[in-house]
Amino acid sequence: DAGVIQSPRHEVTEMGQEVTLRCKPISGHNSLFWYRQTMMRGLELLIYFNNNVPIDDSGMPEDRFSAKMPNASFSTLKIQPSEPRDSAVYFCASSFGLASGNQPQHFGDGTRLSIL
Amino acid sequence: GDSVTQMEGPVTLSEEAFLTINCTYTATGYPSLFWYVQYPGEGLQLLLKATKADDKGSNKGFEATYRKETTSFHLEKGSVQVSDSAVYFCALRGSQGNLIFGKGTKLSVKP
Repeated sequence: DAGVIQSPRHEVTEMGQEVTLRCKPISGHNSLFWYRQTMMRGLELLIYFNNNVPIDDSGMPEDRFSAKMPNASFSTLKIQPSEPRDSAVYFCASSFGLASGNQPQHFGDGTRLSIL
Repeated sequence: GDSVTQMEGPVTLSEEAFLTINCTYTATGYPSLFWYVQYPGEGLQLLLKATKADDKGSNKGFEATYRKETTSFHLEKGSVQVSDSAVYFCALRGSQGNLIFGKGTKLSVKP
């Protein structure tokens, strides 16, 4: 079975540029999560969707960050304009059922983002 | 608010040594508890979980017991292998349904 697929695996760009990260959840999963991982702050939940609807975006750091889920099989996380402090590994995860249930979250391999 | 505290690493062990990684939590009620493992260059993978007090989660020789008296979920393995070298994350299911992770503990096992 295909797992959670993220693209690109690596992204290097200059500050001020728009960055778009992509995620394809596991087929049949209806909850999707975006996380950011840094050495300083560890793993932080940015936003999660249930049935394509954003449920909790309180972790989104600022207005430069936005996320969409136009359908059950695709989500994007966009940063515009990007800044060097946005450099991190961004993970997408998906699960079946409500986030409050006991189903585990399945993680993609992440996108390593470097903003110069 | 809900939080997870796990021992800081890195932890360096010789092959076949006993492993303990401590994890304690603060939460309202009795949340589900998880251990995730992250191998180099990969995303997190669920290692084991426990959904209620006194439950023991186990997988690949790893175990953790949900202790509500001590609000702990320590990870143990009797004999580690080089292939266990990874970063281990303790997590709880928060009141909003999201996962709340500890900072992670890096384990290095030497042959």
